[in-house]
Amino acid sequence: DQQVKQNSPSLSVQEGRISILNCDYTNSMFDYFLWYKKYPAEGPTFLISISSIKDKNEDGRFTVFLNKSAKHLSLHIVPSQPGDSAVYFCAARGNQFYFGTGTSLTVIP
Amino acid sequence: DTEVTQTPKHLVMGMTNKKSLKCEQHMGHRAMYWYKQKAKKPPELMFVYSYEKLSINESVPSRFSPECPNSSLLNLHLHALQPEDSALYLCASSQEEQSNQPQHFGDGTRLSIL
Repeated sequence: DQQVKQNSPSLSVQEGRISILNCDYTNSMFDYFLWYKKYPAEGPTFLISISSIKDKNEDGRFTVFLNKSAKHLSLHIVPSQPGDSAVYFCAARGNQFYFGTGTSLTVIP
Repeated sequence: DTEVTQTPKHLVMGMTNKKSLKCEQHMGHRAMYWYKQKAKKPPELMFVYSYEKLSINESVPSRFSPECPNSSLLNLHLHALQPEDSALYLCASSQEEQSNQPQHFGDGTRLSIL
């Protein structure tokens, strides 16, 4: 049973606009959350993380929000750029890392 | 450039062959991982090594045999695989197994079983 879910398989956004990628999890014991970006024929690349003691972490154009009561994680990219087009995975750590199925983001120039 | 190097990038093998996947990192990480990923699915954990000792084996069939010769290297020995074992095999490393530090992934080995 999937403990981390990304319910949107794909998302298209205009260049310059905000991209919002969502992730839901089921286990309240997860204490560390990450977002990875993956280009075709490459492995996942770490993007940004957040500890369960925080509700927001920002790094440049990327911000991760954590809502523990809703067991929900989101990644905001603003402004979106064509180079951001990739598959984005969220992950959560319990006794191991659990990954979502990914959301394919396309940023349209 | 990825800091975790996996070889080979592609591997085609028959069901009776023996082959090995290799993974190398020089970041001083003490935890290393093997994942299996099928198309449109998330990576699934297979094995975790912590300080060169097997820490987690996620009930992986014995036709997959991991080996950690030293803190920089992780191998996955393959023998008598089945067609359903065809997948992308990802290696990752992190500073410690339970630290608040991300895993760094290699680009994977695309394995096809004939």
